[in-house]
Amino acid sequence: GAVVSQHPSWVICKSGTSVKIECRSLDFQATTMFWYRQFPKQSLMLMATSNEGSKATYEQGVEKDKFLINHASLTLSTLTVTSAHPEDSSFYICSARESAYSPLHFGNGTRLTVT
Amino acid sequence: GQQLNQSPQSMFIQEGEDVSMNCTSSSIFNTWLWYKQDPGEGPVLLIALYKAGELTSNGRLTAQFGITRKDSFLNISASIPSDVGIYFCAGQGEYGNKLVFGAGTILRVKS
Repeated sequence: GAVVSQHPSWVICKSGTSVKIECRSLDFQATTMFWYRQFPKQSLMLMATSNEGSKATYEQGVEKDKFLINHASLTLSTLTVTSAHPEDSSFYICSARESAYSPLHFGNGTRLTVT
Repeated sequence: GQQLNQSPQSMFIQEGEDVSMNCTSSSIFNTWLWYKQDPGEGPVLLIALYKAGELTSNGRLTAQFGITRKDSFLNISASIPSDVGIYFCAGQGEYGNKLVFGAGTILRVKS
């Protein structure tokens, strides 16, 4: 149980375009989803917390207009990287939990490369 | 803010050896979680701990929630090549709060 599916697993886009990443909880309803960014050989950096039906809460230093998060249902959250630049290239990972008392389960990540 | 100190940073061990890694914090956590991440993939939950003093096993893995609620360790017994990866500890203060992650322990196993 507790499977989180993330799509796509990798994407290459041109500078200036937008990219959407989907995160789905397959066998549970996720009241909260989190989006992380991970640089090579580093730990996970929380970008934002997404609650179903409400606006996402962004961490300090994360541009909310650049990283648009939508949590339209209890099983789907999306992260859209708008007007992507090469410095946005990274590994993006979503995670989800069923309740505040449940452990966090992660998707398989999306490798974004902006050329 | 809350920070976790995870050690060691990396380990290169012989197949069959036992492994131990730990995390400490200056503040109290109510939940400790241990994850393993393979290259190019998301972290996978190994063990979740919810009570001070709790000792939990998952196959060859054993983790404990420290009595002070400021530390946790993960042991791997009789390591095998597929244990290779990065292991992260994560702590949660109050229920519902975001997780704080350790920097990770890179484990390499030579057979």
